[in-house]
Amino acid sequence: GAVVSQHPSWVICKSGTSVKIECRSLDFQATTMFWYRQFPKQSLMLMATSNEGSKATYEQGVEKDKFLINHASLTLSTLTVTSAHPEDSSFYICSARATGSSNQPQHFGDGTRLSIL
Amino acid sequence: RKEVEQDPGPFNVPEGATVAFNCTYSNSASQSFFWYRQDCRKEPKLLMSVYSSGNEDGRFTAQLNRASQYISLLIRDSKLSDSATYLCVVNFTGGGNKLTFGTGTQLKVEL
Repeated sequence: GAVVSQHPSWVICKSGTSVKIECRSLDFQATTMFWYRQFPKQSLMLMATSNEGSKATYEQGVEKDKFLINHASLTLSTLTVTSAHPEDSSFYICSARATGSSNQPQHFGDGTRLSIL
Repeated sequence: RKEVEQDPGPFNVPEGATVAFNCTYSNSASQSFFWYRQDCRKEPKLLMSVYSSGNEDGRFTAQLNRASQYISLLIRDSKLSDSATYLCVVNFTGGGNKLTFGTGTQLKVEL
């Protein structure tokens, strides 16, 4: 089945640090990848849609200068949380959908648990 | 009103029981539907897609009622390993094919 790898799985760092999270589709090409955030006991909330070769589309309320997204290839998207603060602590999850299959399910990465001290 | 609504539970059932979860969605133009399973502190994993004709995968049966904007998941002969949160997920037409997640229904299967 489709495999999506996310790295790192756990990050603990000081306030003010920038953190980069990678999302890779291992056995398929993904023109579109998605970045979600999940706070405890809440549902996944879409932050942005990452499009290969073009700018990401951010959801309302998500600061694009705070959460930098780069989707430079068909198998890799990165999310950088710039100058992270404790309120950015959350579970960040990426997903990917194979190119040319807009109605197919998304496959999720393992998630990155970010803790900002 | 939430776009996708689920009873958060928890549903505590004995091993071997049959349990059903329901989900309603607000956008009648919704296009595709899924059930995902999420274990504690893990990423969601696709359980099954949901079709109007209904679909079955082993002990799991999913149904979609477009007229009522209602989705269900039935688990028969529940196992301890079925304990998880079950997420109802909807893809809205015209929404850029973005998924909208329900908050999930927590299931605890006990001995």
